[in-house]
Amino acid sequence: QVQLVESGGGVVQPGGSLRLSCAASGFTFNNLDMHWVRQAPGKGLEWVAFIRFDGTDKYYADSVKGRFTISRDNSKDRLYLQLNSLRAEDTAVYHCVKGHSDYHYFFDYWGLGILITVSS
Amino acid sequence: DIVMTQSPDSLAVSLGERATISCKSSQSVLDSSNNKNYLAWYQQKPGQPPKLLIYWASTRESGVPDRFSGSGSGTDFTLTISSLQAEDVAVYYCQQYYSTLITFGQGTRLEIK
Repeated sequence: QVQLVESGGGVVQPGGSLRLSCAASGFTFNNLDMHWVRQAPGKGLEWVAFIRFDGTDKYYADSVKGRFTISRDNSKDRLYLQLNSLRAEDTAVYHCVKGHSDYHYFFDYWGLGILITVSS
Repeated sequence: DIVMTQSPDSLAVSLGERATISCKSSQSVLDSSNNKNYLAWYQQKPGQPPKLLIYWASTRESGVPDRFSGSGSGTDFTLTISSLQAEDVAVYYCQQYYSTLITFGQGTRLEIK
């Protein structure tokens, strides 16, 4: 069964950095595009970043472009998100999300998410 | 970016009654080359990640009860729950994937009247 387990969250000061990791299992990771989606406390969903199955294409929301970097290691079935120059408005639960096999830009499996709090 | 606007923001419906949620996109999400609308719907219950209900505007995901249906085309879409059950209390989101810059609606909170 598909599992997506995020790790690496916590409290970080404004301007700081953090690296999130997502361990994927239960599907052929290197065949599928992946995403990160975040949700600020009590707020709605915001798509953050996309990476093609082979890492050749990456897209970012305007709100994180130039500060966040998505990457993957297909040999380890792992997805990553490097977060730099963090701001208070980046405080959110970050979900690792699997693209649907029919078309990889909507999402059929979500990790439970990991909380990042940006605060001094 | 394509802006997705849902209405209403919250909705209270009696058990067994119909619930209807609207989603409008700032530009068409219909690809005329394949006649597909790049629109999905999700359900999120408290403390849980979202669950995919509908994609291509009207295709029900495997395992989703048939009381959930999606309709619409172009810029105007609707999620309908034909007979509300207690377990349908949740926040519902639409999402466009026409653009590589994916965007969600702000969400509609559905409660029991």
